[in-house]
Amino acid sequence: NAGVMQNPRHLVRRRGQEARLRCSPMKGHSHVYWYRQLPEEGLKFMVYLQKENIIDESGMPKERFSAEFPKEGPSILRIQQVVRGDSAAYFCASSPGGGLAKNIQYFGAGTRLSVL
Amino acid sequence: SQQGEEDPQALSIQEGENATMNCSYKTSINNLQWYRQNSGRGLVHLILIRSNEREKHSGRLRVTLDTSKKSSSLLITASRAADTASYFCATGPGSGNTPLVFGKGTRLSVIA
Repeated sequence: NAGVMQNPRHLVRRRGQEARLRCSPMKGHSHVYWYRQLPEEGLKFMVYLQKENIIDESGMPKERFSAEFPKEGPSILRIQQVVRGDSAAYFCASSPGGGLAKNIQYFGAGTRLSVL
Repeated sequence: SQQGEEDPQALSIQEGENATMNCSYKTSINNLQWYRQNSGRGLVHLILIRSNEREKHSGRLRVTLDTSKKSSSLLITASRAADTASYFCATGPGSGNTPLVFGKGTRLSVIA
């Protein structure tokens, strides 16, 4: 089990293009969280998903951003028509559905998005 | 919005010294966690303390929690150069699977 896998690690897009960020949770984890981190800042919550369901998207902008976690395959964070302000590191975390470790989140290495 | 603030924002110490970082938060919590982030990497969970606990130890780490003051501290004893990283506190508002609310972090530099 390689842990939470995110790809790509680095993504460069021009303004107006689409960015797709992928996250495969740890084996056996059914909960996925996406966070965004600006330089010298902490992580800010964007969206929380379980398989096929969005549980909480209160931190995700209403426009241009969407997220999914299909029954099969990785979770996807999609940013349409990117702007320079979208440049940041995007981290995915996963947690198990229950048990003592359910409060602990395991993070991927992140995707660093640069918008030119 | 950020839940709280870490203090100090940056800390530089010599190898072998102890490092203390503080975290304050604003709302009621179920648990408080500390994570470490090495430059350019993801976060690694260090320790979790529940709201009904006052102190917890893990190796060279000691965490305290004062819910009356809404504050926590992380102590790293006998620091090593490999401890150089950013340290974040994160609060979990609920007992189940909930998003975490992170502070801005303390950047620790341990000089060999």
